[in-house]
Amino acid sequence: SQKIEQNSEALNIQEGKTATLTCNYTNYSPAYLQWYRQDPGRGPVFLLLIRENEKEKRKERLKVTFDTTLKQSLFHITASQPADSATYLCALDWQGGKLIFGQGTELSVKP
Amino acid sequence: DAGVIQSPRHEVTEMGQEVTLRCKPISGHNSLFWYRQTMMRGLELLIYFNNNVPIDDSGMPEDRFSAKMPNASFSTLKIQPSEPRDSAVYFCASSPRQGKRWDQPQHFGDGTRLSIL
Repeated sequence: SQKIEQNSEALNIQEGKTATLTCNYTNYSPAYLQWYRQDPGRGPVFLLLIRENEKEKRKERLKVTFDTTLKQSLFHITASQPADSATYLCALDWQGGKLIFGQGTELSVKP
Repeated sequence: DAGVIQSPRHEVTEMGQEVTLRCKPISGHNSLFWYRQTMMRGLELLIYFNNNVPIDDSGMPEDRFSAKMPNASFSTLKIQPSEPRDSAVYFCASSPRQGKRWDQPQHFGDGTRLSIL
């Protein structure tokens, strides 16, 4: 069955640095991949979508890459701020409309 | 604009009781999804609807769970009878579907935190 893995360990970085989160998948070739942010006690919030024919997508301080050969997506936050602290989830499409979510990576940005 | 609205935000009930969770999707969205989130299993899709019709309920754990969408602005997820292992946060999400394009962002409510004692 398909499997999605995100950094299981929490990521702690200093304000101003670039945070890089990893999403690896196996046994599947998704047509697109999405990244969401989740704050404690809140629902996930959509950030970016990247399609299989796109190598890179940017939105303000966010950048997502999608390597279908490595079966990996990287999510970067440049010039990180304490307000970026949250859990970040990657999600792959599965069989028309369904999303399969990774377990998420908790990011903590220290001032 | 109003987002996805879920109620109640918190529910504590005793084992064996019926639980009903409610969701109002974003107006104009024609796909609706119910998820369950736990520490152990993460965010799991239970069921989703398109144009009020259930498309895939393969994630529903067992017959104790049922979901309905009587109209485009309302959906319920019911657990009867409830068990302690059903304790989790339940999210509802909606998204627009444009023709055959499924690659639309999902908009989540803030969930219902369910505790079964």
